[in-house]
Amino acid sequence: SSELTQDPAVSVALGQTVRITCQGDSLRSYYASWYQQKPGQAPVLVIYGNNNRPSGIPDRFSGSYSGDTASLTITGAQAEDEADYYCDSRDSTGNHGVFGGGTKLTVL
Amino acid sequence: QVQLVQSGAEVKKPGASVKVSCKASGYIFTTYYMHWVRQAPGQGLEWMGIINPSGGSTRYAQKLQGRVTVTSDTSTSTVYMELSSLKSEDTAVYYCARDYGSGSFYLFYWGQGTLVTVSS
Repeated sequence: SSELTQDPAVSVALGQTVRITCQGDSLRSYYASWYQQKPGQAPVLVIYGNNNRPSGIPDRFSGSYSGDTASLTITGAQAEDEADYYCDSRDSTGNHGVFGGGTKLTVL
Repeated sequence: QVQLVQSGAEVKKPGASVKVSCKASGYIFTTYYMHWVRQAPGQGLEWMGIINPSGGSTRYAQKLQGRVTVTSDTSTSTVYMELSSLKSEDTAVYYCARDYGSGSFYLFYWGQGTLVTVSS
């Protein structure tokens, strides 16, 4: 399968921990990356590979894997974390990219 | 610092073609693959294709195969995405995004986006 499935929406109380998941067969073979997108802005890479954070991304963002599911965890969510989050990986052939449908995170 | 600067917004009629440019700076252009991603209004991200600027080899999303062409010009460090036979469903913001390396599919740097509107 070439699809990555995400929950459309998730909410978290300010300061609490939230996990956003991404499921797909290709994740058994390839790592995912995670992107944060705020309205009117280009996406920003927050996690890639085996739990790597680009420079400048707060350490409250972390990634993990279990079987065919990748997860993005925000520990101690802040108001500025409210955004759309997308996972990305390769398809089953490894030759093409594929994005999940995105998860809208609301921080209450 | 790495910068990807895209060309400006376009308005096209159905059936026409559009060519969007992405000028790279701040790194060795031929070392890193480049992707194109689009986002229709209110919708999610869609991967379109990838190019190795050194040599010009490409791969495209099956859905767009035959309509999309990605090219690179090493003399100006610019990547181009051309989409033909435009339909209203092609209305979207188009982004170029630089790979972490040689096809890792980790999109480290993004252009500012180019809005393409297809309307009669």
